[in-house]
Amino acid sequence: QQQVKQSPQSLIVQKGGISIINCAYENTAFDYFPWYQQFPGKGPALLIAIRPDVSEKKEGRFTISFNKSAKQFSLHIMDSQPGDSATYFCAVPYGQNFVFGPGTRLSVLP
Amino acid sequence: GAVVSQHPSWVICKSGTSVKIECRSLDFQATTMFWYRQFPKQSLMLMATSNEGSKATYEQGVEKDKFLINHASLTLSTLTVTSAHPEDSSFYICSASLGAGHQPQHFGDGTRLSIL
Repeated sequence: QQQVKQSPQSLIVQKGGISIINCAYENTAFDYFPWYQQFPGKGPALLIAIRPDVSEKKEGRFTISFNKSAKQFSLHIMDSQPGDSATYFCAVPYGQNFVFGPGTRLSVLP
Repeated sequence: GAVVSQHPSWVICKSGTSVKIECRSLDFQATTMFWYRQFPKQSLMLMATSNEGSKATYEQGVEKDKFLINHASLTLSTLTVTSAHPEDSSFYICSASLGAGHQPQHFGDGTRLSIL
């Protein structure tokens, strides 16, 4: 079974600050590593994803950094906004599916 | 694009009732659909994977006779919770992807099921 860890469990950031969430996995994995954003009472929404042939991908204020040898990847949210307050899940390929991390609850203070 | 609609969004019913939840991919054909269960402040737990026209693959510990999954077309999968009991109360979420393997999954908005 693939083990996926996320840190921190919760994060409080001031508006305009940088939010950084880390994801680590144990077993070798390939293909595709996504981050999902979930608001209360809603389903997760795909935020950004990376394929392991690159070490970094940026989309607007969101950046994924991928360290294949360390089996880690992180999500950076630049210029964090109160509207970014949500729970973030990383996902790691496993078998035919994904294993989701336990989630990080982000609160961005106005 | 890649919109997944889930219905109903909330259902409250008495113990012993069977409840059907629908998951539709609105603007793409979903070869594979997934059903998850999520408890408050916890991560998503995969219940089963379904491919159009074939039987669903259930995760270990998930009762296939309790949670009936039908994926009759490339745009519709249903989850029926049979003879629901209070312990089945949870947030059920479906997702759909274009193909097998590690493709982007697009999630519905979930169904909150409360069994009295």
